[in-house]
Amino acid sequence: QSVLTQPPSVSAAPGQKVTISCSGRSSNIGNNYVSWYQQLPGTAPKLLIYENNKRPSGIPDRFSGSKSGTSATLGITGLQTGDEADYYCGTWDSSLSGWVFGGGTKLTVL
Amino acid sequence: EVQVLEFGGGLVQPGGSLRLSCAASGFTFSNYAMSWVRQAPGKGLEWVSAISANGDSTYYADSVKDRFTISRDNSKNTVYLEMNSLRADDTAVYYCAKGLSQPPFDYWGQGTLVTVSS
Repeated sequence: QSVLTQPPSVSAAPGQKVTISCSGRSSNIGNNYVSWYQQLPGTAPKLLIYENNKRPSGIPDRFSGSKSGTSATLGITGLQTGDEADYYCGTWDSSLSGWVFGGGTKLTVL
Repeated sequence: EVQVLEFGGGLVQPGGSLRLSCAASGFTFSNYAMSWVRQAPGKGLEWVSAISANGDSTYYADSVKDRFTISRDNSKNTVYLEMNSLRADDTAVYYCAKGLSQPPFDYWGQGTLVTVSS
């Protein structure tokens, strides 16, 4: 059981938009920055979004992040087959004094 | 170019020990915290441990506290994870990642597999 809650799977057609939610509590998302990671099959995770909505260099603006209260959302527009991956949210948990990840969401581009 | 490379995975018996190493390059190592994250087969990501830039502060997940020890040698640009009293549920790919904040885990190694089995 992960501290942060994500839907196990989402799907959408190529070219469409999808959102992935991440729900937590005041000790984690409510008072700390949220990051998002993409893990393509058989590869290491990759940072997509940090500090709720910032993109590292090289990450296309099709990827966006937002946060409201104790929830965060990853948005992906213009879906491509290459976006099929597992997506994880993560943040610091002040009560645990440790980092926590969501359980991950598998994105299928139909 | 930033590079992070893990070493030291392998097969170990339950109750045994193993030390993982992570060599980093392409950035000023002594300015950044470093972390370990693991992924059990077919499962999600689990943060394991982190160490501050100067090594004075360390952090552990409850699942590994008192069994694992993180350390670093800034003269060698290397971070270590000493794992003791290993259990079957420690079986995972262990990733080394740069940072804990500003930004967190912005570069990852390819991972090293640790298998705990008799």
